[in-house]
Amino acid sequence: KAGVTQTPRYLIKTRGQQVTLSCSPISGHRSVSWYQQTPGQGLQFLFEYFSETQRNKGNFPGRFSGRQFSNSRSEMNVSTLELGDSALYLCASSEGAPGELFFGEGSRLTVL
Amino acid sequence: SQQGEEDPQALSIQEGENATMNCSYKTSINNLQWYRQNSGRGLVHLILIRSNEREKHSGRLRVTLDTSKKSSSLLITASRAADTASYFCATEEDSSYKLIFGSGTRLLVRP
Repeated sequence: KAGVTQTPRYLIKTRGQQVTLSCSPISGHRSVSWYQQTPGQGLQFLFEYFSETQRNKGNFPGRFSGRQFSNSRSEMNVSTLELGDSALYLCASSEGAPGELFFGEGSRLTVL
Repeated sequence: SQQGEEDPQALSIQEGENATMNCSYKTSINNLQWYRQNSGRGLVHLILIRSNEREKHSGRLRVTLDTSKKSSSLLITASRAADTASYFCATEEDSSYKLIFGSGTRLLVRP
C-alpha cells in the first residue's frame, strides 16, 4: 500500500497570503488528522476528520480550516498568513479507531 | 499545549549502549504511543501501550507504563547509529481522536 502523501512538500509564502495543503491518506483509511510542528511549540493537533466530518479541533485561530472529501483526501487552508505560521504541517491517517497514526512526510511552509 | 514532558531533552550514547527516555503526562489516557522522527521528516510509529498494560516489547524496544504516576519509559537496547532521531511520546484520551505529544528526546548514537 502507498503511504500518506502530502503536497506540496515545500512552499514559501508572504504575510497576508493564504495557502492550501493537501493530504492523500492510505487507501482504506477514513480518518485524517493534521498537526503543526514548530521548534517553539512542538507538535500540536489542528483537527481530525472522519468520513467528511470534523470530530475534533485543536486550539488554533479560525484562520486555520480543513475539510475532507468523500474519497478521504483532505485539505487544510491557512488564510492571512503570519510569520508564526511557518512550520512543518503533518498529515496522518488511520482507520478511525484509537490507535496508531500513519504520518506523511509533511509540508514545510515558510512565511516571509 | 503539550501535555507530555520528556526527559532527557537530549541524549548522546555510544553504539551498543542502551538508551532510556521518559515521558510524563497529565490526564487519563486510553493509550500511550511512541514515535520516531528523523530530522525534518514525518513521524514513524514505534509502539502503542494501552492504559491497562504495564509493559510491552517490540524487537529492541521496551515500553513501560505507570498510570498511577502518569509516566512511561522507552528503552532501546543495543543502540545503532541508525537509531539517531527524535523520539516523542503521545497520549490519546478516550474518544478524543487526537494525540497529545510530548516535547521529545533527541537521541544521538555515536558510531
